[in-house]
Amino acid sequence: NAGVTQTPKFRVLKTGQSMTLLCAQDMNHEYMYWYRQDPGMGLRLIHYSVGEGTTAKGEVPDGYNVSRLKKQNFLLGLESAAPSQTSVYFCASSSHGTSTYEQYFGPGTRLTVT
Amino acid sequence: AQSVTQLDSQVPVFEEAPVELRCNYSSSVSVYLFWYVQYPNQGLQLLLKYLSGSTLVKGINGFEAEFNKSQTSFHLRKPSVHISDTAEYFCAVSDQGGSEKLVFGKGTKLTVNP
Repeated sequence: NAGVTQTPKFRVLKTGQSMTLLCAQDMNHEYMYWYRQDPGMGLRLIHYSVGEGTTAKGEVPDGYNVSRLKKQNFLLGLESAAPSQTSVYFCASSSHGTSTYEQYFGPGTRLTVT
Repeated sequence: AQSVTQLDSQVPVFEEAPVELRCNYSSSVSVYLFWYVQYPNQGLQLLLKYLSGSTLVKGINGFEAEFNKSQTSFHLRKPSVHISDTAEYFCAVSDQGGSEKLVFGKGTKLTVNP
């Protein structure tokens, strides 16, 4: 099993450009999450999904959109990138109902907006 | 809503010394508690978790943590650290309502010196 994978690993954008980050998991998990990590801030939840076709806002959703068209994929979109979105983005997944409550994290995408 | 406070942003220790990383949380509902570790340039992996039962929980790599409900704390300890324990450690909380969303602390950077 590959676990949770993220594409791309690195990206540099100019202000105003758009991009999509892809997260894929092969563990058949129902729940998926997008976080951003900034120095001294820990991880903050952007959006999450509790199943295919459903998404919800997290703590810092502004400037981002998400889609969960397939159970194994969770896409994070930036429509018009801003320097404040320079960050490391992590995707995670978890299996609801197994009583483990563990989230499995991908390796991260480092995004720089100039 | 929940919040997590990690009282030390950086903790330097010498190899084979004991270490304690402190975590306090705030919540109006019952919670689950977690410690995650992030090695340089990697994603997060679960060290240990408290869901219920014994308040002393043991995790991977010789770490343990104690849940103290009256003090709303979940401090992480290791009796003897190794150079390889150098990493950032995150305390996180999740409410027991089923959303499984995690709220993270800002992290503690543990540096083990020879």
